Amino acid sequence: ELKVEQNPLFLSMQEGKNYTIYCNYSTTSDRLYWYRQDPGKSLESLFVLLSNGAVKQEGRLMASLDTKARLSTLHITAAVHDLSATYFCAVENYGGSQGNLIFGKGTKLSVKP
Amino acid sequence: DAGVIQSPRHEVTEMGQEVTLRCKPISGHDYLFWYRQTMMRGLELLIYFNNNVPIDDSGMPEDRFSAKMPNASFSTLKIQPSEPRDSAVYFCASSRASRWRGNQPQHFGDGTRLSIL
Repeated sequence: ELKVEQNPLFLSMQEGKNYTIYCNYSTTSDRLYWYRQDPGKSLESLFVLLSNGAVKQEGRLMASLDTKARLSTLHITAAVHDLSATYFCAVENYGGSQGNLIFGKGTKLSVKP
Repeated sequence: DAGVIQSPRHEVTEMGQEVTLRCKPISGHDYLFWYRQTMMRGLELLIYFNNNVPIDDSGMPEDRFSAKMPNASFSTLKIQPSEPRDSAVYFCASSRASRWRGNQPQHFGDGTRLSIL
C-alpha cells in the first residue's frame, strides 16, 4: 500500500528565509504532484514531476524528484507572506489506474514579516 | 475554459436527511474523482470514474454513500442518511488521460462544505 509522508506538517518562517518541505513515499512511483491550498479554498496544481531527477521552478518555489530515494522536495527561496498556504504532495499509485493519487497530510506554511 | 463546477458550495442539514452533492467536470476530461477533506483525516479519495464507469470505490466509507456518473458532464455523490461525522469539505476533481500517463494534474472544484447537525 502506497503511503505518502510530508514533513514538517507545520512551518513558521520569516520573510526572506529559505526552507525545504520533504515528501517521502513508500512504493515505486515516478509521478509526483505538488498542490497549494489557501484557507477555505480549492487545491491548485503547482508542479508535475514525471521522472527521476525532474526539477521544476516557478518564482520562489522549486520542486525536485528523486525516484530512487522515493523523495521529493519543495524548496522555498526568500519567502514572502503571499506564500502562506498549505502545500500537498501527491503520488500516483503506480499499480492503479491513471491519476489515482495518494496525498500527503499537507504542510501548513506561515510566513511572518 | 470553465473549471470543475461543484454545487452547492455550502450545505447545512439535519442528521438523517439525504444530501446530494453535484459536480460538472471540465469538458474533455475522462477521469472524475470525489474526495473528502477533514482536519483529522486529511484528503481522502472516496471514488473515481473513468469514462463514466466507477473504477475504485474502496474509499467510500459505508453503504450510506453512493456516487453516480450518468454522463460525461455530470456526477453526484449522495449520502443517505447523513450523520454528523459526515461533516467535511467534499471536493470533486477531473483529469484527462493522455498518452503520457499521469502528466495531466487533477483539477479541483471549489468544494462543498457540508455540515450535518
